[in-house]
Amino acid sequence: QLQLQESGPGLVKPSETLSLTCTVSGGSISSSSYYWGWIRQPPGKGLEWIGSIYYSGSTYYNPSLKSRVTISVDTSKNQFSLKLSSVTAADTAVYYCASQGGEGFDIWGQGTMVTVSS
Amino acid sequence: AIRITQSPSSLSASTGDRVTITCRASQGISSYLAWYQQKPGKAPKLLIYAASTLQSGVPSRFSGSGSGTDFTLTISCLQSEDFATYYCQQYYSYPQLTFGGGTKVEIK
Repeated sequence: QLQLQESGPGLVKPSETLSLTCTVSGGSISSSSYYWGWIRQPPGKGLEWIGSIYYSGSTYYNPSLKSRVTISVDTSKNQFSLKLSSVTAADTAVYYCASQGGEGFDIWGQGTMVTVSS
Repeated sequence: AIRITQSPSSLSASTGDRVTITCRASQGISSYLAWYQQKPGKAPKLLIYAASTLQSGVPSRFSGSGSGTDFTLTISCLQSEDFATYYCQQYYSYPQLTFGGGTKVEIK
């Protein structure tokens, strides 16, 4: 059974870079069946797709965040990562990683809250 | 980018009610639409994909319909565990995705 787990700092200072990692267990991140995605949810608000990556390293980003986002994959560790630069309070959110099959996000991590504050 | 408009943003209903939530895409997306359920403090759960296909383990009181630009999620007989927020998501432009704004189903 595929499982995903986010990890990273819960507090980031304004203008700095948010960095999160998603560890995949119960399956291989090199599976050709999946893209691997990041989604976020500000407190009390809806879901926003941040971007996705294929095991080969091909990336796709939300145009509204593209200038600040980098998603990478480490197949040796079965992990993929998110970096979001120049953060502001508007980037405060629960960040989820999820597996993206051909029909939407079918397996989600539990989410990790990231607060941007000095 | 494809925009998804979800309505209503919230609704009040009673156990046993039939509930309908709609999503409209800014352009035709064939049947490339998924529905998710999210309970407070939890990650979203995939309910329906390809507009009308139930994910494994999802109760049959949930159903989805539509194609092109207009889609519907129906809960035929609302149960207490169904009070949650529901989101639609298009994946016509896969792997680039867009979520609807969400519908909160509350107890009347």
